[in-house]
Amino acid sequence: GIQVEQSPPDLILQEGANSTLRCNFSDSVNNLQWFHQNPWGQLINLFYIPSGTKQNGRLSATTVATERYSLLYISSSQTTDSGVYFCAVDPTRFSGGYNKLIFGAGTRLAVHP
Amino acid sequence: DTEVTQTPKHLVMGMTNKKSLKCEQHMGHRAMYWYKQKAKKPPELMFVYSYEKLSINESVPSRFSPECPNSSLLNLHLHALQPEDSALYLCASSPHGPYEQYFGPGTRLTVT
Repeated sequence: GIQVEQSPPDLILQEGANSTLRCNFSDSVNNLQWFHQNPWGQLINLFYIPSGTKQNGRLSATTVATERYSLLYISSSQTTDSGVYFCAVDPTRFSGGYNKLIFGAGTRLAVHP
Repeated sequence: DTEVTQTPKHLVMGMTNKKSLKCEQHMGHRAMYWYKQKAKKPPELMFVYSYEKLSINESVPSRFSPECPNSSLLNLHLHALQPEDSALYLCASSPHGPYEQYFGPGTRLTVT
């Protein structure tokens, strides 16, 4: 099956710093999503980005589908950015109307004041 | 509105109990999902319903029984669980097609 690798596994930042999180995947995908899981367990949608570049405030993401990777950029980090960032992909060729998301292991981010 | 709701937030049950988890969405999505997440691990897919029909069962033990009574509601019936089934159970929904999934806040289950 498809492999989804995220790096780095852990990241510690000072408030105000910038960072780049990476997601590599081993096969072509129909869907790629980035999530932030807060300390209470809620998975918050950041980006739906099977290809191309998107920006939302201090966050942006780029997926290069032909090279099988995606990047999540966090600028001017804040303590509220702390948590786990997951990349998830759907590798199915024919989805039958649904996704089958496979999650990477995540990047644990801690932002200190 | 991109909200998926789940009840209860927390559940403690004994190994001989029967309980149910509930998930609801009113976004008109026709695909709904159950995921299980153990501590410090990523979510893992358990079941997928598409148009109220079970489309994927990822070899989940029969002590977990999903049900989709209508297009807005998804239940997970629990019976004779083991302590290792303690986890965060997440529900999600998506529109028809390879589109974005939206997750509920989860039910934190403890089996004693």
